[in-house]
Amino acid sequence: AQSVTQLDSQVPVFEEAPVELRCNYSSSVSVYLFWYVQYPNQGLQLLLKYLSGSTLVKGINGFEAEFNKSQTSFHLRKPSVHISDTAEYFCAVTPYTDKLIFGTGTRLQVFP
Amino acid sequence: GAVVSQHPSRVICKSGTSVKIECRSLDFQATTMFWYRQFPKQSLMLMATSNEGSKATYEQGVEKDKFLINHASLTLSTLTVTSAHPEDSSFYICSARVRQGEPSGGFSYEQYFGPGTRLTVT
Repeated sequence: AQSVTQLDSQVPVFEEAPVELRCNYSSSVSVYLFWYVQYPNQGLQLLLKYLSGSTLVKGINGFEAEFNKSQTSFHLRKPSVHISDTAEYFCAVTPYTDKLIFGTGTRLQVFP
Repeated sequence: GAVVSQHPSRVICKSGTSVKIECRSLDFQATTMFWYRQFPKQSLMLMATSNEGSKATYEQGVEKDKFLINHASLTLSTLTVTSAHPEDSSFYICSARVRQGEPSGGFSYEQYFGPGTRLTVT
């Protein structure tokens, strides 16, 4: 079985500061990895995904994530956040069965 | 890009009534759609996989007689919450699966999510 752990339920940060949202996963098979963003009362929007190849993945809105197989991590980073980045962020994995398994989410709160 | 819509966006109903939620893929066909449920400040929990022309596959613990899923066409899946009770109040989100070719020559599946439906049962 697969599982996803997002250790930080909330991450407060000031505008223009860098941020890292942590994601660790557990799986006995290879997986695809995703980060989604959810704005209040909305569905999910894909930020980026790792399928194979380069372990550094660049996504939309200036976000990037690095796949680390030895540490089973897929942390999300942004060098300089904006107020508009305030949202809920979900890490997810799928073991090729296309059933997404989500982490519990991290609330990113950007302060002016 | 692939767009998925849901209708209604919000619904309030009385306990004991049934509510139907529609999920549509607007500019593509989807043989597979997924239904999720999200409680406040929690993650998404997969309820069921909806396959066009066949019965839905429900996750463990989800009552199939309470949450009726119909996927009658390649662009529409519906979720009907029957005899709704206050504990069914939640945010319901659907997604549609798209198969995509990858530069490596293989393929992957990606899910496009609808905007969600807020159900409140009084």
